[in-house]
Amino acid sequence: NAGVTQTPKFRILKIGQSMTLQCTQDMNHNYMYWYRQDPGMGLKLIYYSVGAGITDKGEVPNGYNVSRSTTEDFPLRLELAAPSQTSVYFCASSTLSGMSTDTQYFGPGTRLTVL
Amino acid sequence: AQKITQTQPGMFVQEKEAVTLDCTYDTSDQSYGLFWYKQPSSGEMIFLIYQGSYDEQNATEGRYSLNFQKARKSANLVISASQLGDSAMYFCAFRQNFVFGPGTRLSVLP
Repeated sequence: NAGVTQTPKFRILKIGQSMTLQCTQDMNHNYMYWYRQDPGMGLKLIYYSVGAGITDKGEVPNGYNVSRSTTEDFPLRLELAAPSQTSVYFCASSTLSGMSTDTQYFGPGTRLTVL
Repeated sequence: AQKITQTQPGMFVQEKEAVTLDCTYDTSDQSYGLFWYKQPSSGEMIFLIYQGSYDEQNATEGRYSLNFQKARKSANLVISASQLGDSAMYFCAFRQNFVFGPGTRLSVLP
């Protein structure tokens, strides 16, 4: 059972380049999320999705785009990378059934540096 | 809007002692839930414990327990018998929108 997988683990981009961070979950969760974590800080929500075909902005969506064509995949697109996007990016998934067993499963993270 | 506050940027505790990490929140919802996560220096996010607003008892999970005071809007994490491996960042978060607090860095001293 792989859980939430993210690729790549590390990436260095030049200013103005674009890239897609991949995220896949095999738990059939409806909810998926993208967070960024700047050094020494907490997590900030970029985008989230409540199901295939449905996405919505989080706290810090500027400079990013997402899509959700399947339940399993939730890629994050960075267009015109900027140094301010240097961060660790976490993908997560959850059920949110309302049960006390609800939790959020995280991927291992992608460390992105924009130079 | 829902908001999480963690007022302790850093905490120290002696090995084998108990420690309480504070989490206060603001919400107008009647039904909500709160999670606690641990992030060790390796970077992964580890789920620790969950508390629902309508749960009659405070949540417990091994050495972790929640001191949930609904009227005061606080959900403090209590770690009993601290171990060196408990040294990490600890985050409190809402279940509904998974908004995270800024975290508390716990250091366990030998």
